[in-house]
Amino acid sequence: SAVISQKPSRDICQRGTSLTIQCQVDSQVTMMFWYRQQPGQSLTLIATANQGSEATYESGFVIDKFPISRPNLTFSTLTVSNMSPEDSSIYLCSKQGTDTQYFGPGTRLTVL
Amino acid sequence: AQRVTQPEKLLSVFKGAPVELKCNYSYSGSPELFWYVQYSRQRLQLLLRHISRESIKGFTADLNKGETSFHLKKPFAQEEDSAMYYCALTGRGSTLGRLYFGRGTQLTVWP
Repeated sequence: SAVISQKPSRDICQRGTSLTIQCQVDSQVTMMFWYRQQPGQSLTLIATANQGSEATYESGFVIDKFPISRPNLTFSTLTVSNMSPEDSSIYLCSKQGTDTQYFGPGTRLTVL
Repeated sequence: AQRVTQPEKLLSVFKGAPVELKCNYSYSGSPELFWYVQYSRQRLQLLLRHISRESIKGFTADLNKGETSFHLKKPFAQEEDSAMYYCALTGRGSTLGRLYFGRGTQLTVWP
């Protein structure tokens, strides 16, 4: 198993503001991932965060909206910029293990 | 493009009854298929993966390449199996590690 923590666990934000979500993992890992789970929907991959290089974004997600940092092998941040109510979701980070991904508990974001 | 389809959003069975959660996929290469489970108030966790060919908590899943399916089965459901189940796919090469999820099936096992 793995220990992955996220901060904050939840937040309520105003439209137009930005929120940075932190993800801390218990061991050094090359690949970390950020997912979004909108209400009633499945998990959608936002981007892959590799240490030492730019994040790789999936179709429909752009760096200006979801900037990601990966300063070291155990930490990553995802910023949700210029938020709108459509950004209300659960945001999850994960790390690549030997044979699977381990997920954090998620950050529940509500945008008013 | 890759796609994972779970046709049932909700599934209810009685305790002791067999249960099958359906998953179909489309992928151009050689996929790896997984089932993830999320129990109430817990984080998402791996249940099983097809290449292990293992049985976890009585659940099994066989990859059928001809039908592009990876259905999850258990012969006798238990109340503690009630959870959200997600089928997921990853590829090899450039897509290694990137998981693509189905929309999930909420399983409820009644006493």
